[in-house]
Amino acid sequence: SAVISQKPSRDICQRGTSLTIQCQVDSQVTMMFWYRQQPGQSLTLIATANQGSEATYESGFVIDKFPISRPNLTFSTLTVSNMSPEDSSIYLCSVGWGVNEKLFFGSGTQLSVL
Amino acid sequence: GNSVTQMEGPVTLSEEAFLTINCTYTATGYPSLFWYVQYPGEGLQLLLKATKADDKGSNKGFEATYRKETTSFHLEKGSVQVSDSAVYFCALSSAGGGNKLTFGTGTQLKVEL
Repeated sequence: SAVISQKPSRDICQRGTSLTIQCQVDSQVTMMFWYRQQPGQSLTLIATANQGSEATYESGFVIDKFPISRPNLTFSTLTVSNMSPEDSSIYLCSVGWGVNEKLFFGSGTQLSVL
Repeated sequence: GNSVTQMEGPVTLSEEAFLTINCTYTATGYPSLFWYVQYPGEGLQLLLKATKADDKGSNKGFEATYRKETTSFHLEKGSVQVSDSAVYFCALSSAGGGNKLTFGTGTQLKVEL
């Protein structure tokens, strides 16, 4: 199993600013992902955080808007840049080890953009 | 591409009623199937999983059977409790997809006394 610490747990931000979300895992993990859960909707994968290289983004998500870092096997950050109210959402970090194995989720960051 | 379709909620049941939440999927290859649960104010957590056809995942009285012929993974529980009130997400991952999870839209379950 994994214990995932995600910070901040919530934030209220002004339009046009940026917020960086941190994800810290208590053990080394193979895979780290960032998801978005918009109000009343399901989870959508933003990107796969690759250790030591650029993240792999899903369709509809770009690096300029959601830059991601993963300097080692236990830590990753997601930045939501130049925010607008449409970015108000819960952002979730998830981690795993093997293909087709379960993923563990952080408790999420609830972001509200005014 | 991969997709998951869940029955829409909210589903409202009386305590001790039988629960079924339908889930069907579309995927290339042989995906693994999962049910995740999100209790109010908490993060997502795995409820059960099945990795191959005819496997039955079970946990906390919930069950789901991987039916390849009908591409389904319906969640069932024989007698629900108020504490089961939560949002339930069906999901799949495939080796070809790099272990990325594709989620259904979620089904909110409300159990009343």
